[in-house]
Amino acid sequence: DAGVTQSPTHLIKTRGQHVTLRCSPISGHKSVSWYQQVLGQGPQFIFQYYEKEERGRGNFPDRFSARQFPNYSSELNVNALLLGDSALYLCASSLEGGGTEAFFGQGTRLTVV
Amino acid sequence: GENVEQHPSTLSVQEGDSAVIKCTYSDSASNYFPWYKQELGKRPQLIIDIRSNVGEKKDQRIAVTLNKTAKHFSLHITETQPEDSAVYFCAASGTPGTSYGKLTFGQGTILTVHP
Repeated sequence: DAGVTQSPTHLIKTRGQHVTLRCSPISGHKSVSWYQQVLGQGPQFIFQYYEKEERGRGNFPDRFSARQFPNYSSELNVNALLLGDSALYLCASSLEGGGTEAFFGQGTRLTVV
Repeated sequence: GENVEQHPSTLSVQEGDSAVIKCTYSDSASNYFPWYKQELGKRPQLIIDIRSNVGEKKDQRIAVTLNKTAKHFSLHITETQPEDSAVYFCAASGTPGTSYGKLTFGQGTILTVHP
């Protein structure tokens, strides 16, 4: 069984650019959540999607957006990148929404220069 | 919103000793509490979780306890081994069965087990 897969694994972007990160959940899982993890801190919730609908949004600016596709894969988009957006972006897959086990992908390490 | 506090931030023990990490949460509606282990440069891995209708859960050397009244939960690792060295995160989430699965994480505990 394949776990949660994310692409790319590493990315370097320049301030002001746009980035798209991708996530494929575990087969059969309908919920995908995105988290930002800054070095030395716990993951911070960005979005949750369940059955292709946004079900939760964290305290992030409108430069961050996401969507979920019919096959339950997901994209996270960040516009007008800032240096402070440099972080590990984690995708978590779960069977349903709240209260069920969430399994993380290996993350995308984004560096903004 | 939910706020999760985790202590200590660092914990150093000798191999074979026990380690205890404690977390408190603020939202009484939270009733799913997972613990994750994250090794350097790797993904967080779920090691154990507990739901609010259970006071304690054990899996080999790892146990978690939950006190709903006091709104705190703890991770206990017995007979620690060097491979237990990692960052441990507690988290809290909303009501099972809903579609809002936001996990609020603690700040993490760096556990070092010395041989």
